[in-house]
Amino acid sequence: EDQVTQSPEALRLQEGESSSLNCSYTVSGLRGLFWYRQDPGKGPEFLFTLYSAGEEKEKERLKATLTKKESFLHITAPKPEDSATYLCAVHQAGTALIFGKGTTLSVSS
Amino acid sequence: DTGVSQNPRHKITKRGQNVTFRCDPISEHNRLYWYRQTLGQGPEFLTYFQNEAQLEKSRLLSDRFSAERPKGSFSTLEIQRTEQGDSAMYLCASSFPSTTNEKLFFGSGTQLSVL
Repeated sequence: EDQVTQSPEALRLQEGESSSLNCSYTVSGLRGLFWYRQDPGKGPEFLFTLYSAGEEKEKERLKATLTKKESFLHITAPKPEDSATYLCAVHQAGTALIFGKGTTLSVSS
Repeated sequence: DTGVSQNPRHKITKRGQNVTFRCDPISEHNRLYWYRQTLGQGPEFLTYFQNEAQLEKSRLLSDRFSAERPKGSFSTLEIQRTEQGDSAMYLCASSFPSTTNEKLFFGSGTQLSVL
């Protein structure tokens, strides 16, 4: 049973077209939810950590939010350089980070 | 600022051969992780070290895989008798953990192709 599920698997947007990516999780004892960005052929790059429901973090055109069962990564007015795979991961007590399969975002101009 | 370094970046080998990868973590980080990633999937945990001690190993990890971290610095991951199913990106990450933050810094990975 998947503990971290991301949707959609792929998303195509026009430049400036805002949207959201979803990450739902079923782990208990959540210690943190992480968002990473991964470009082709590279390792994941850290974006945000969220610790409790209601928490929000922002960085440029990205905003991450957290509820008790899911997290959203909101992308406002995306640009082509935002094209990448966005990975969600959860940290629970006594384990390493568990990753979802990611959402591949393509932004065209 | 030197990040996590992995070598080689690419490795092509024939089925049945042994391969070894190296990871140099960020110098002040005491935790080191190995993950494996295949196309269209997220990184899958393999094992991790705190200093030189290997603290956790995935149940999915075959006995053909072994990792070491002598002296708590760099780490090596060896795969013996490689199989085509071992083809993947092998990612190394390091962290300096606090009680609330398990933020990982990843290297660029080693892409393994088993022919």
